[in-house]
Amino acid sequence: QVQLVQSGTEVRKPGSSVKVSCKASGRSFITFSYSWVRQVPGQGLEWVGVIIPTFGTPKYAHQMQGRVTITADEPTTTVYMELRGLKPEDTAVYFCARGGGAPEDWFDPWGQGTLVTVSS
Amino acid sequence: QSVLTQPPSASGTPGQRVAISCSGGSSNIGSNPVNWYQQFPGTAPKLLLHSDNQRPSGVSDRFSGSKSGTSASLAISGLQSEDEADYYCVAWDDRLKGPVFGGGTKLTVL
Repeated sequence: QVQLVQSGTEVRKPGSSVKVSCKASGRSFITFSYSWVRQVPGQGLEWVGVIIPTFGTPKYAHQMQGRVTITADEPTTTVYMELRGLKPEDTAVYFCARGGGAPEDWFDPWGQGTLVTVSS
Repeated sequence: QSVLTQPPSASGTPGQRVAISCSGGSSNIGSNPVNWYQQFPGTAPKLLLHSDNQRPSGVSDRFSGSKSGTSASLAISGLQSEDEADYYCVAWDDRLKGPVFGGGTKLTVL
């Protein structure tokens, strides 16, 4: 049974950075894709980006490019999402989700979510 | 503004059949499979259907999906109070080169 376990709640000031982790259990870590999806409180879901560890090169949503970096560490089977230049509107729950071997595959399972609050 | 369009709300009484629509375009629903997710308040989304109409193991057969052209639909038959949740459709978009989501539909069981 694959599980994704994310790091805990973060509070940051505008202009700072945050790095959220997502540890995957189970086999074949590097052959699956791992996406980050965020949800502003009370609103819908928005894709942030994806990485397939075996290929290494991440892809980002257009509106996030330049501020987000997604990385994967094979020895610890952990995926990271770093968001820089934080704005109050980045306040959201950030989920990691495993896809298939291609970025366009469905997401299953999901991590429990990490609340990132950006406030002065 | 979401790329895929869903009604913000839907409702039904126990035992009824409810359908939730998801409308897109040629670069997403028109050329790629649609996946559906169910989300309860305060929890992560859960995969409900993938590849337009495929149920993962453990998902009730009361949930079914269909697609025609650039629109998709999620149907829930024999509505139960435990189905009260938010439902999201998602499809890969060839033009944006990423998955696009519907705005979500809040289902209320009256």
